[in-house]
Amino acid sequence: GESVGLHLPTLSVQEGDNSIINCAYSNSASDYFIWYKQESGKGPQFIIDIRSNMDKRQGQRVTVLLNKTVKHLSLQIAATQPGDSAVYFCAEKRGGTGRRALTFGSGTRLQVQP
Amino acid sequence: GAVVSQHPSRVICKSGTSVKIECRSLDFQATTMFWYRQFPKQSLMLMATSNEGSKATYEQGVEKDKFLINHASLTLSTLTVTSAHPEDSSFYICSARTVMNTEAFFGQGTRLTVV
Repeated sequence: GESVGLHLPTLSVQEGDNSIINCAYSNSASDYFIWYKQESGKGPQFIIDIRSNMDKRQGQRVTVLLNKTVKHLSLQIAATQPGDSAVYFCAEKRGGTGRRALTFGSGTRLQVQP
Repeated sequence: GAVVSQHPSRVICKSGTSVKIECRSLDFQATTMFWYRQFPKQSLMLMATSNEGSKATYEQGVEKDKFLINHASLTLSTLTVTSAHPEDSSFYICSARTVMNTEAFFGQGTRLTVV
């Protein structure tokens, strides 16, 4: 079935390095994508979003890239810090109103080594 | 961003009892709320979509009689796990959204343990 998935289950980086987390999606009707950060025992925390009419969006230390041709989404974290250690999920919303739920990918655990 | 409050954060109950989890949008009106379930080291799986004033829409495989959802107001949705069993032990998370907003705001989750 249609799904949102991730290439790497665990990513380990050194403090100060840049991190790149990837996500593949299969539904070409998806028009909105979000990256969430989830710390242990907590709910997902919004990081950054992007609409399908864009291919890049930048936030504070984070950048999301969207390649609709290959249905690929990535999250780049600059100067990764220990506090960035968490599980990161991409999520997609298929076209329509705000009543549609998000579909989540399987998640990538980011481990930041001091 | 908007705040969604979920209560309780942790609950332990005996098999056969029912547990109610509350999800409140504190500073906005949530026309739609979503309930997710998350097992350890897994992703969030949508259980149901709840629109204010109407019946919830359940995902395939989710028992509506076991997971009762009520969305009586624009700021409150509840999930009641009825006749809980150990296999219902999980992390339950709600999210809320207005029709105008695409971003969904999440509660802090409820860790349910059935013993």
